[in-house]
Amino acid sequence: EPEVTQTPSHQVTQMGQEVILRCVPISNHLYFYWYRQILGQKVEFLVSFYNNEISEKSEIFDDQFSVERPDGSNFTLKIRSTKLEDSAMYFCASSVSDRGNYGYTFGSGTRLTVV
Amino acid sequence: RKEVEQDPGPFNVPEGATVAFNCTYSNSASQSFFWYRQDCRKEPKLLMSVYSSGNEDGRFTAQLNRASQYISLLIRDSKLSDSATYLCVVKGTYKYIFGTGTRLKVLA
Repeated sequence: EPEVTQTPSHQVTQMGQEVILRCVPISNHLYFYWYRQILGQKVEFLVSFYNNEISEKSEIFDDQFSVERPDGSNFTLKIRSTKLEDSAMYFCASSVSDRGNYGYTFGSGTRLTVV
Repeated sequence: RKEVEQDPGPFNVPEGATVAFNCTYSNSASQSFFWYRQDCRKEPKLLMSVYSSGNEDGRFTAQLNRASQYISLLIRDSKLSDSATYLCVVKGTYKYIFGTGTRLKVLA
């Protein structure tokens, strides 16, 4: 079964440092997403991406965050200057369509710990 | 009112029991609905889409009531392996909106 691949599985970084989280969506999918889940809390939407541009972003996705699809296969989330409260599990997801009942496939996540 | 609301549980049930979860949503224009399952510290995995007419997949049955804006999931003959958090998901224009999840623990 095709899967969404995320790397690294766990990243520890110092406050103020930049991090890049990487994702390889399923190859024929056209819609890409980043979500995060702080420990013990619900899964929260960060950003959706289609046709090389952001479709929608949440209030969490401020100027410190950016996304890119640099080469047609990778989909990255960059956090410019990490804060302690950015510690969370970050999930990438992709979908073949944005309509109907097509579900998203999630990657196994990157656990980001900011110290 | 929260966008998607679920009873967090936990629901502790014996093996073989039938258990039902409900979820309410606030946006009447929502079009797509799903149940996902999440094991501890893992990614959400699609359990089933929810159709207006209701749908069944083995031991799992999902129902949608648009008039009352709620979604339900029924699990029959629960197994130990059903222990997980069940996430109600409502699709907005470009994103999923997750409920907080309902924890299920099936006891031997």
